[in-house]
Amino acid sequence: SQTIHQWPATLVQPVGSPLSLECTVEGTSNPNLYWYRQAAGRGLQLLFYSVGIGQISSEVPQNLSASRPQDRQFILSSKKLLLSDSGFYLCAWSTTGGHTIYFGEGSWLTVV
Amino acid sequence: KQEVTQIPAALSVPEGENLVLNCSFTDSAIYNLQWFRQDPGKGLTSLLLIQSSQREQTSGRLNASLDKSSGRSTLYIAASQPGDSATYLCAVRLGTNFGNEKLTFGTGTRLTIIP
Repeated sequence: SQTIHQWPATLVQPVGSPLSLECTVEGTSNPNLYWYRQAAGRGLQLLFYSVGIGQISSEVPQNLSASRPQDRQFILSSKKLLLSDSGFYLCAWSTTGGHTIYFGEGSWLTVV
Repeated sequence: KQEVTQIPAALSVPEGENLVLNCSFTDSAIYNLQWFRQDPGKGLTSLLLIQSSQREQTSGRLNASLDKSSGRSTLYIAASQPGDSATYLCAVRLGTNFGNEKLTFGTGTRLTIIP
């Protein structure tokens, strides 16, 4: 069966520090991968999605970047965090042309 | 640009009652619509998925309907239980080719079932 792992689950980072959130999917090949952010009181906002290694689309201009070094690995990064980067970050995957999207457990980021 | 709205933002009902959650979207040319459940501080769990050619889907006490032409979907929960308390989100997908496969989410309805 397919599983998705996301870590770390929680982190508190000072303003200006770097960020790295990692997501891996097991049990499938060539998944579509997504990073969403859920800010307090707001809906889920799609940040990045990828349909293959080296293919990453950014949905909104921001302080973050994403990379897909391996087929089933998706990394969300920042060189210098802002207070506004605080939120709940969710990684997700779906099969190419598939119907359902599956989410990880999320990572709570607090920038102080 | 697709916009998804869920009203009400919060809902409290006594245990045992049937209830309906609403979702509306502005672009009716969708590929499918999905309902999710999110417990506090957790990821999302898929509940039901309705393809654009379908009118409804059922799973246990849950029934989701889709009226694509009017841009509406409802999630019906029968005989509500305290364990149903969570935030419910709907999301639409435009297609399957590159650029259309991503989901657009509503802001959710926070449901509280009162014992």
